Amino acid sequence: SQQGEEDPQALSIQEGENATMNCSYKTSINNLQWYRQNSGRGLVHLILIRSNEREKHSGRLRVTLDTSKKSSSLLITASRAADTASYFCAPGAQKLVFGQGTRLTINP
Amino acid sequence: NAGVMQNPRHLVRRRGQEARLRCSPMKGHSHVYWYRQLPEEGLKFMVYLQKENIIDESGMPKERFSAEFPKEGPSILRIQQVVRGDSAAYFCASSEGVTNEKLFFGSGTQLSVL
Repeated sequence: SQQGEEDPQALSIQEGENATMNCSYKTSINNLQWYRQNSGRGLVHLILIRSNEREKHSGRLRVTLDTSKKSSSLLITASRAADTASYFCAPGAQKLVFGQGTRLTINP
Repeated sequence: NAGVMQNPRHLVRRRGQEARLRCSPMKGHSHVYWYRQLPEEGLKFMVYLQKENIIDESGMPKERFSAEFPKEGPSILRIQQVVRGDSAAYFCASSEGVTNEKLFFGSGTQLSVL
């Protein structure tokens, strides 16, 4: 198993702006998942992108995957205060290993 | 269909006592994972279990920590002779068991050691 590394560690933007977070990993994967964690709660699965996909959308979320660069990005469009949370990527493996995440703060 | 249930939500123990954390996976899920999270940090993998089997315990401390997932009943994470450094949030997650399947998390147990 491997751990994804999220970048930046912290991101603060104004409500309505777009937020972009990046994830890098080291070895080949079958898929990559993104999770969100609100303060004090368990992680919530957001989206899974497979290695043969380059881009995937879910509502205001857009995820890209570049297997040649071993990187993924998560874009949240038209951010809302409720998007304030930590976001984690998890490169596919039998057991998921999480990094430090990106702490996203949406300012009203 | 209830989600992953963890109890208790908060657990306070004195140094030297035992802590037992329980996790009931989602209905139909046979794989359970335990994670530990310290404040302002990410989740650290502890152990991965299937019914009656420990698949991967590479993240478990060698002493005082044990986990089980019996044929009947919830998964249990047991910490013997707790120390202050064990204070953390412990999260359980479950999956259907297919490799790379997404995880469903419980709300966690906050363990405080006095």
